[in-house]
Amino acid sequence: AQKVTQAQTEISVVEKEDVTLDCVYETRDTTYYLFWYKQPPSGELVFLIRRNSFDEQNEISGRYSWNFQKSTSSFNFTITASQVVDSAVYFCALSEADDYKLSFGAGTTVTVRA
Amino acid sequence: DGGITQSPKYLFRKEGQNVTLSCEQNLNHDAMYWYRQDPGQGLRLIYYSQIVNDFQKGDIAEGYSVSREKKESFPLTVTSAQKNPTAFYLCASSRALNTEAFFGQGTRLTVV
Repeated sequence: AQKVTQAQTEISVVEKEDVTLDCVYETRDTTYYLFWYKQPPSGELVFLIRRNSFDEQNEISGRYSWNFQKSTSSFNFTITASQVVDSAVYFCALSEADDYKLSFGAGTTVTVRA
Repeated sequence: DGGITQSPKYLFRKEGQNVTLSCEQNLNHDAMYWYRQDPGQGLRLIYYSQIVNDFQKGDIAEGYSVSREKKESFPLTVTSAQKNPTAFYLCASSRALNTEAFFGQGTRLTVV
């Protein structure tokens, strides 16, 4: 069974600090897909990134970056120079090949203080 | 604008009553999903549908029912058999297998 663990329940930082969110996953499949979503107070989940298991190249998108390490089954997410608008719940998720099911971690609540 | 519309945003139900949550998408996506979110927990899959007239149970399907008569619509009924229905319900759709899902704004259901 697939499983996603986000050990950090809450993180609070001051604006302009960097924040890293941890995500550890478990799967028996060699082909799988990892995702990060942001849930602002409005409630709607916003897609941030999708990564397949064969692509370990790290990715940067503006102030966001992702570090995928198959050796440690981790897919961590870093927000650089955080802003108040980054305050949200962030979810890591996993889907295995040929499976529509998306398994979510419990989420990490990020609070950025001005 | 393309997207997913859930209605209503807030819903109150008396114990013992069935209630139906609406989900409509105009993204032309084949797959649709219903998730339940409780405080401090991640999203849990209730039902999903890969194609019209077909749907599959997720991890917590007991007490829920769905239909998929049209590609655009995937309503969820919370029945009286659901023991603890108070939660935030999210509908989503995706273009294909293993692609990113797009979510609606959710319906917050409260049993009174």
